[in-house]
Amino acid sequence: KQEVTQIPAALSVPEGENLVLNCSFTDSAIYNLQWFRQDPGKGLTSLLLIQSSQREQTSGRLNASLDKSSGRSTLYIAASQPGDSATYLCAVRGGAGGTSYGKLTFGQGTILTVHP
Amino acid sequence: EPEVTQTPSHQVTQMGQEVILRCVPISNHLYFYWYRQILGQKVEFLVSFYNNEISEKSEIFDDQFSVERPDGSNFTLKIRSTKLEDSAMYFCARRGQGAREAFFGQGTRLTVV
Repeated sequence: KQEVTQIPAALSVPEGENLVLNCSFTDSAIYNLQWFRQDPGKGLTSLLLIQSSQREQTSGRLNASLDKSSGRSTLYIAASQPGDSATYLCAVRGGAGGTSYGKLTFGQGTILTVHP
Repeated sequence: EPEVTQTPSHQVTQMGQEVILRCVPISNHLYFYWYRQILGQKVEFLVSFYNNEISEKSEIFDDQFSVERPDGSNFTLKIRSTKLEDSAMYFCARRGQGAREAFFGQGTRLTVV
């Protein structure tokens, strides 16, 4: 069974800091990994998708890396802003016999607070 | 790409009542999913739906749950007899062909009293 773990559970930083969120998964036979943002009581907004053949993806101040063999991904946020405050979720598709169109398995999330 | 639209945004129901949650995919994607998130817990997979039939379901998706796409557009999740522990945020998601990204709706918050 695929398990996804995110560290840290919560992070509080001053505005302007660069930060790293970590995600690990137990079965490396994944098809892709997706990072989401969730604001309180809201839906999931897709931030970045990394295919299993890729090493990293960038979107604006966000950079996600993937080390499939070691079962790890990181989300790097540059020059953090108060508007970045949210819960960040990591999810993998595949592993444990899953298919390329199968379910996503989510981590618990990292609650990020960026204070002015 | 646009997200899916879910209705209602919030539903309160009495224990034992049936509820239907709706999802309207904006584009003609083939794969649809329902997930739920109990307050303070992980987002959990419930069921996937492809080509008008269930392709995968979790152990959570028991006989109390059903999904259908009655008119070729709306995608519904029905809970036949709600329990207190069904209280959660329910998310609909869609994706296209290949290993592409999934897009989620804003969710329906179901409260069972």
